[in-house]
Amino acid sequence: EAEVAQSPRYKITEKSQAVAFWCDPISGHATLYWYRQILGQGPELLVQFQDESVVDDSQLPKDRFSAERLKGVDSTLKIQPAELGDSAMYLCASSLATSGGEQYFGPGTRLTVT
Amino acid sequence: EDQVTQSPEALRLQEGESSSLNCSYTVSGLRGLFWYRQDPGKGPEFLFTLYSAGEEKEKERLKATLTKKESFLHITAPKPKDSATYLCAVQAGYSTLTFGKGTMLLVSP
Repeated sequence: EAEVAQSPRYKITEKSQAVAFWCDPISGHATLYWYRQILGQGPELLVQFQDESVVDDSQLPKDRFSAERLKGVDSTLKIQPAELGDSAMYLCASSLATSGGEQYFGPGTRLTVT
Repeated sequence: EDQVTQSPEALRLQEGESSSLNCSYTVSGLRGLFWYRQDPGKGPEFLFTLYSAGEEKEKERLKATLTKKESFLHITAPKPKDSATYLCAVQAGYSTLTFGKGTMLLVSP
């Protein structure tokens, strides 16, 4: 069964350091999403890609966060510098339809900033 | 602004004790309502999509229903392995998903 892959699964970093997360969507899925989930809350969208283009990054804190999907397949989300408030689960999802619909999530990366 | 409210926040059931989870939503032009299951420390797992009022979908012990203002996730004769957080999300038009905070379900043997 096809799955969304993410790495690393866990990351501990000190504040002011840089951190990066990687995601490989389900093969053939053109749309890729990065979400942040704080404990006890639902996922909140950070950025959405359609192929290699950013469709929505209105909630991405652009002063410290960046995301890219250079070849329209896998994607990287970077935080520099990390802050204590960035501690959360970072989830990647992908969907087949260009207009959203059913999204399939990866296992997530649990980030702890100390 | 799209809003999704899930209730209760947490629910504890005995094995075999049926119940329902609620998802109330406010959205302009519902395109779809989605239910996900999330186990601790893992990503959400897709369960159902509902598109229009009156629609129902079933999977094992779960049945999801939709009205114009809310959706219910009915759990019939739950088992301990049904313990998880259940998330509801809505999509309006071509926008992305707006999630609720989830209902944490614990089923005791």
